[in-house]
Amino acid sequence: KAGVTQTPRYLIKTRGQQVTLSCSPISGHRSVSWYQQTPGQGLQFLFEYFSETQRNKGNFPGRFSGRQFSNSRSEMNVSTLELGDSALYLCASSLGGTSYEQYFGPGTRLTVT
Amino acid sequence: LAKTTQPISMDSYEGQEVNITCSHNNIATNDYITWYQQFPSQGPRFIIQGYKTKVTNEVASLFIPADRKSSTLSLPRVSLSDTAVYYCLVAFNNAGNMLTFGGGTRLMVKP
Repeated sequence: KAGVTQTPRYLIKTRGQQVTLSCSPISGHRSVSWYQQTPGQGLQFLFEYFSETQRNKGNFPGRFSGRQFSNSRSEMNVSTLELGDSALYLCASSLGGTSYEQYFGPGTRLTVT
Repeated sequence: LAKTTQPISMDSYEGQEVNITCSHNNIATNDYITWYQQFPSQGPRFIIQGYKTKVTNEVASLFIPADRKSSTLSLPRVSLSDTAVYYCLVAFNNAGNMLTFGGGTRLMVKP
């Protein structure tokens, strides 16, 4: 099976702009979770989508949003970018049960200037 | 408060067994504990997952005591290629399924 894919792999944006990141899960996986990874804060949970519905949400401002399509592919959007949004954004897919055995993509490296 | 805590770093030598502990005091009855390995510029890679007692697969073992407030990842006979950051993850059901990673343990394996 193909693994989790994320596009783009690298992105440079200017403060105030918005950005959309994409994630394609492993075939058959219905849950997609998004994480932000920074050297200072580590891996932080953004939100999880399951069957096109947001199931769980972390403690991030409303500028961070997401959605999931009927084929389980997911997108994450960040509006009004701030310098502190520079990070590696990771998505992970799982079957959708409560065990959260997740498989991660390679991430999108976002740099905000 | 949903929190997982790990040692920041550990050193070991090739061929030794390495044990990395994660504490998760507020874990709920149905929460699973999952461990990941991460190399630079890559996403975390699934290692092992457990719910109680002991789980073993081809690369690691996971020990979970009866109170489940901590867990220990055991890597037998490490090699240089095991040098990486190891993370524990708990989905805290009593905190709205907040998926919470520990801060990560940087393991350095020396020859």
